Amino acid sequence: EVQLVESGGGLVQPGGSLRLSCAASGFTVINNYMSWVRQAPGTGLEWVSVIYSDGSTYYADSVKGRFTISRDNSKSTVYLQMNSLRAEDTAVYYCASLTLDLLLSYYFDSWGQGTLVTVSS
Amino acid sequence: EIVMTQSPATLSVSPGERATLSCRASQSVRSNLAWYQQKPGQAPRLLIYGTSTRATGIPARFSGSGSGTEFTLTIRSLHSEDFAVYYCQQYNDWWTFGQGTKVEIK
Repeated sequence: EVQLVESGGGLVQPGGSLRLSCAASGFTVINNYMSWVRQAPGTGLEWVSVIYSDGSTYYADSVKGRFTISRDNSKSTVYLQMNSLRAEDTAVYYCASLTLDLLLSYYFDSWGQGTLVTVSS
Repeated sequence: EIVMTQSPATLSVSPGERATLSCRASQSVRSNLAWYQQKPGQAPRLLIYGTSTRATGIPARFSGSGSGTEFTLTIRSLHSEDFAVYYCQQYNDWWTFGQGTKVEIK
């Protein structure tokens, strides 16, 4: 059974940094596309970043240059390093795995329970 | 960026009735459309991918249809556990979500 467990959220001041972790079980992160999606309080969902099985990484424009996604294959864990945090980064951050469908496009199939990041002074 | 627009924002339905949710894309996403259900305090749960394929364990009362820019999620005979927020998402060009439709008890 695929399970994703996020950790590392908390309260941080504007301009500060935080590293989120996503521990995966039931599969290996190196063989899968892994992503972070966030949800600001009372609002919808926003894709943040993805790391492909070949190690390529991509980011939403809203976080490009500030956030870095990475993985540790030996720990089957994906990370999101968040720097220069802003109030608008306040959200629940979800880790999600992606699956390839018949049209060779990737959709989110499994999600973690999320971890809350609050950026405030 | 492909913008996804869902309607209505809120849908009031009685248990046992049918709910029809709409999703429109700002440009064609082919059949690369998924639906997610989210309950308060929980992560989104995949319901439908590829416009009409139910994910593992999803009851047959959930069905999806459409193509290109217009999509529909139909919940036939609403159960109490179906009252939630539903999001559509395109995965044809990166990933973007609609703003959600809340299905509430009438």
